Amino acid sequence: DTAVSQTPKYLVTQMGNDKSIKCEQNLGHDTMYWYKQDSKKFLKIMFSYNNKELIINETVPNRFSPKSPDKAHLNLHINSLELGDSAVYFCASSQVRGSGTGELFFGEGSRLTVL
Amino acid sequence: AQTVTQSQPEMSVQEAETVTLSCTYDTSESNYYLFWYKQPPSRQMILVIRQEAYKQQNATENRFSVNFQKAAKSFSLKISDSQLGDTAMYFCAFFNFGNEKLTFGTGTRLTIIP
Repeated sequence: DTAVSQTPKYLVTQMGNDKSIKCEQNLGHDTMYWYKQDSKKFLKIMFSYNNKELIINETVPNRFSPKSPDKAHLNLHINSLELGDSAVYFCASSQVRGSGTGELFFGEGSRLTVL
Repeated sequence: AQTVTQSQPEMSVQEAETVTLSCTYDTSESNYYLFWYKQPPSRQMILVIRQEAYKQQNATENRFSVNFQKAAKSFSLKISDSQLGDTAMYFCAFFNFGNEKLTFGTGTRLTIIP
């Protein structure tokens, strides 16, 4: 049973399109994240939510909009896709508050290719 | 803001040898966690080892151990008896409880040579 699952795993689309990536965690964690990994493998945080509340919003273009319907789900919607959006997007979850350690559990990543 | 620096973009060692990956970080926080994550070609992010900043004892997990020097803000990873399956990107990461953010270094690509 996958702890953090994200779909789709691969996404190929044209510039200007809108796409979404979905993420679900069954670990009971209170915090979920989106990270972007570029072609040089650098991992950069984009957003985090704690119990549906936006906690971290890094300097990400407003074409990117996260949505957390409940604490087990965090989806990422991207409008007007650009070539530079091509990357692997990782969803992760963590138990941060209370007895949390800050350890992140990652999904398998979604490779987005914009043509 | 915290920064994490990995000064070795690539390393390679012979199978069964020992290798040490370097990591330094910069923070004004006193309470934090440090991690090493491994990313094999499958691209899955896998936790290798964790260190709590308030613990002086270095963490160990089987063949993996760290050298945590809090005053020097250094957190190196030692892999003993390296195996072919250790070939991967290794990322050092810093968790700040203040802003609940995990910040990654730029990674070290490690290749184990048969």
